[in-house]
Amino acid sequence: DAKTTQPTSMDCAEGRAANLPCNHSTISGNEYVYWYRQIHSQGPQYIIHGLKNNETNEMASLIITEDRKSSTLILPHATLRDTAVYYCIVRVSNTGNQFYFGTGTSLTVIP
Amino acid sequence: GAVVSQHPSWVICKSGTSVKIECRSLDFQATTMFWYRQFPKQSLMLMATSNEGSKATYEQGVEKDKFLINHASLTLSTLTVTSAHPEDSSFYICSATGGALENYGYTFGSGTRLTVV
Repeated sequence: DAKTTQPTSMDCAEGRAANLPCNHSTISGNEYVYWYRQIHSQGPQYIIHGLKNNETNEMASLIITEDRKSSTLILPHATLRDTAVYYCIVRVSNTGNQFYFGTGTSLTVIP
Repeated sequence: GAVVSQHPSWVICKSGTSVKIECRSLDFQATTMFWYRQFPKQSLMLMATSNEGSKATYEQGVEKDKFLINHASLTLSTLTVTSAHPEDSSFYICSATGGALENYGYTFGSGTRLTVV
């Protein structure tokens, strides 16, 4: 029951910023935007999440548009280890609520 | 912190047999655990949600009698694939949450690759 749209794939040069877009035009007022990534044959890894303000942590930055209908995950200096499938998920942040994964964006960092 | 351990990491079984996969929260109490299945080149598909001490809630189309889920303690959930067939071959992943961890997203296990021959 994914409610997001992401490009299927993207390339990024090593050392450059990777900007991954996500559209969530039907997002509700109480839904957060979460980003996870999955490296091949591993479990997903939490990256960042936010409601309406931009967020930054040691892994990435999350930019959410003012109308909250889209967001961008920014990896400031992509490395080869950032090659993965990145999932954008919208969800009400209540304990026990499920995460439904869409198709995600396959990011390839090129040397 | 917030580590989820999944075991085994891979398993091969004969058609018709049952396989049990364990999911453990190592340093927190997991009030809720989730089980996903992922086929090659596809996204994760949520199979069921389990709360400690109660019956699991299955997503539409997932057979509860085939995929038995037990969440008897705050640190352990198990998924048993009964009478496995080759079409059940997949990557099974669990995730867990509990309490304040909600603020930081859910933690996922490393997955179990099941091959039914």
